[in-house]
Amino acid sequence: AQKVTQAQTEISVVEKEDVTLDCVYETRDTTYYLFWYKQPPSGELVFLIRRNSFDEQNEISGRYSWNFQKSTSSFNFTITASQVVDSAVYFCALSDPNFGNEKLTFGTGTRLTIIP
Amino acid sequence: DGGITQSPKYLFRKEGQNVTLSCEQNLNHDAMYWYRQDPGQGLRLIYYSQIVNDFQKGDIAEGYSVSREKKESFPLTVTSAQKNPTAFYLCASMGDSGRASDEQFFGPGTRLTVL
Repeated sequence: AQKVTQAQTEISVVEKEDVTLDCVYETRDTTYYLFWYKQPPSGELVFLIRRNSFDEQNEISGRYSWNFQKSTSSFNFTITASQVVDSAVYFCALSDPNFGNEKLTFGTGTRLTIIP
Repeated sequence: DGGITQSPKYLFRKEGQNVTLSCEQNLNHDAMYWYRQDPGQGLRLIYYSQIVNDFQKGDIAEGYSVSREKKESFPLTVTSAQKNPTAFYLCASMGDSGRASDEQFFGPGTRLTVL
């Protein structure tokens, strides 16, 4: 069975600090996709990144970076120089190849609060 | 503007009444999804549809029903059989059901409160 664990329920940091959100997943499949979504107070989920299981290169997009380590089944997300607008709930998700990778299993989310 | 609309944003119903949540997309996406979100929990899949006139149960389908008569519409009915319907409901769509690399696009959600 698929499982995604986001052990950090809530994190608070002062603006401009760096923060890392952890994501650990479980799957028996060799081909899958991992995602990060942001949910601001408005409620709509915003797509941030997807990574397939064969691409372990780290990715950087502006202040955001992602570290995918297949050996530890982790896909962590780092925000550098955090800003108040980064305050949101962040979800990590894992696709299920038994359903054409269309079904997603979500973690319980990490609520990030940036203190001005 | 292309996107997903869900209406209404807030919905109140009396216990025992059926209620239908609307989801419309103009992205020309094949696949559509309904999720339920409860406080402190991740999103859980209720139903999904990969093509018109076809849909499958997700992980928590009991007490819910859907239809997919048109590509752009995927309404969700919360029936009186759903024991605890108060939650935030999110609709999503994805471009081509054959492309596993696509991401899902989400609507703004409907917050349902059963009194």
